[in-house]
Amino acid sequence: DVKVTQSSRYLVKRTGEKVFLECVQDMDHENMFWYRQDPGLGLRLIYFSYDVKMKEKGDIPEGYSVSREKKERFSLILESASTNQTSMYLCASSLWPGQEAFFGQGTRLTVV
Amino acid sequence: AQKVTQAQTEISVVEKEDVTLDCVYETRDTTYYLFWYKQPPSGELVFLIRRNSFDEQNEISGRYSWNFQKSTSSFNFTITASQVVDSAVYFCALSEGVIQGAQKLVFGQGTRLTINP
Repeated sequence: DVKVTQSSRYLVKRTGEKVFLECVQDMDHENMFWYRQDPGLGLRLIYFSYDVKMKEKGDIPEGYSVSREKKERFSLILESASTNQTSMYLCASSLWPGQEAFFGQGTRLTVV
Repeated sequence: AQKVTQAQTEISVVEKEDVTLDCVYETRDTTYYLFWYKQPPSGELVFLIRRNSFDEQNEISGRYSWNFQKSTSSFNFTITASQVVDSAVYFCALSEGVIQGAQKLVFGQGTRLTINP
């Protein structure tokens, strides 16, 4: 079974902190994604990546950056956390554009 | 630009009724893929179906069916004889290839479906 693992289920951080959300997949998938999920807004794409070669902004990249130094690991970075970044963050991976994405269990981040 | 719209925010029906969830998409690509996912109250996203842009054949899986129409850029999902266990948030998604096999995958806003006993 494909496994996508996010390092934390729940996080509480203070405004202004630098926050790292980690995601690891074990199926050698090329594509990885970070989304945030907010009520009524669905899943919004923050960043996506193809192997370590390419990182691209999604629809809402402001306030975020990413790192993918190894194919299996895709990190989301909040450079200076703000309260409006309180949300559920979901990581996903897929092998190629026609394959379904596999999701992690999510990280609920609260910024106080 | 790539976009998915699920205009129905919430739907509530009585058990055994049929219900259709709408999905409209926008893309400039000729090759793309459409998906439906289910998110039950437990929170994990469950893959339901995948369709590529060259296959407009409708699909039926038990009580679930999907209607893909390129002419209207729609990929609608119907549950027949709904059950309480169908209560969940349902997401429609669109995937395009970007370059060199890379994929951009975007989701709609989701439809919260409640099936009442």
